[in-house]
Amino acid sequence: EIVLTQSPDTLSLSPGERATLSCRASQSVSNNYLAWYQQRPGQAPRLLIYGASSRATGIPDRFSGSGSGTDFTLTISRLEPEDFAVYYCQQFGSSPFTFGPGTKVDFK
Amino acid sequence: EVQLVESGGGLVKPGGSLSLSCAASGFTFSNAWMNWVRQTPGKGLEWLARIKTKPVGGTTDYAAPVKGRFTISRDDSKHTVYLQMNSLRTEDTAFYYCTTGGYYFDFWGRGTLVTVSS
Repeated sequence: EIVLTQSPDTLSLSPGERATLSCRASQSVSNNYLAWYQQRPGQAPRLLIYGASSRATGIPDRFSGSGSGTDFTLTISRLEPEDFAVYYCQQFGSSPFTFGPGTKVDFK
Repeated sequence: EVQLVESGGGLVKPGGSLSLSCAASGFTFSNAWMNWVRQTPGKGLEWLARIKTKPVGGTTDYAAPVKGRFTISRDDSKHTVYLQMNSLRTEDTAFYYCTTGGYYFDFWGRGTLVTVSS
């Protein structure tokens, strides 16, 4: 099973700032099959990025994903108030599909 | 608009059973691979089970912690996916979501809470 770790646990930033979130896999993720999700309080997760860098339908272009192998990054170029949430990575290169523990982006 | 509505959660004793349902609308259900994912404060998000579409055999896959205890199924005529949960344990206490997608999870329902406690 591929174990995903995310860093930092919490990222304290202000609106308009850039957020850089990291996801590291315990072994190489096949075909860079990595996704990112956003979860706001009281809501279900929402797909942001799949295939490491492809934005899901309707996701603003301030969200971008990059990386390959074992190291992946989600970047939010300029934080909007609605972006303060928890972000999870998920690998789907091998079963079982696994999630990271999440990074919380909160207000500084 | 894609909608997934889970139901069937509740309080159950250890060793008991519960059946969850997820009613889907807004897309061609029979063409969609479906999943169940759960979330707990302690273990985070955990993929549990997937069911493929009938044209590719309707086959199922399970995560190790639930294999042999949980069964995913679908009724395309009712646009519904199910999760039958048997031999429930306290560690199965979680919010249960159904999702679309074969490998990553495009759409999520709002979830249903399952509490396993004596």
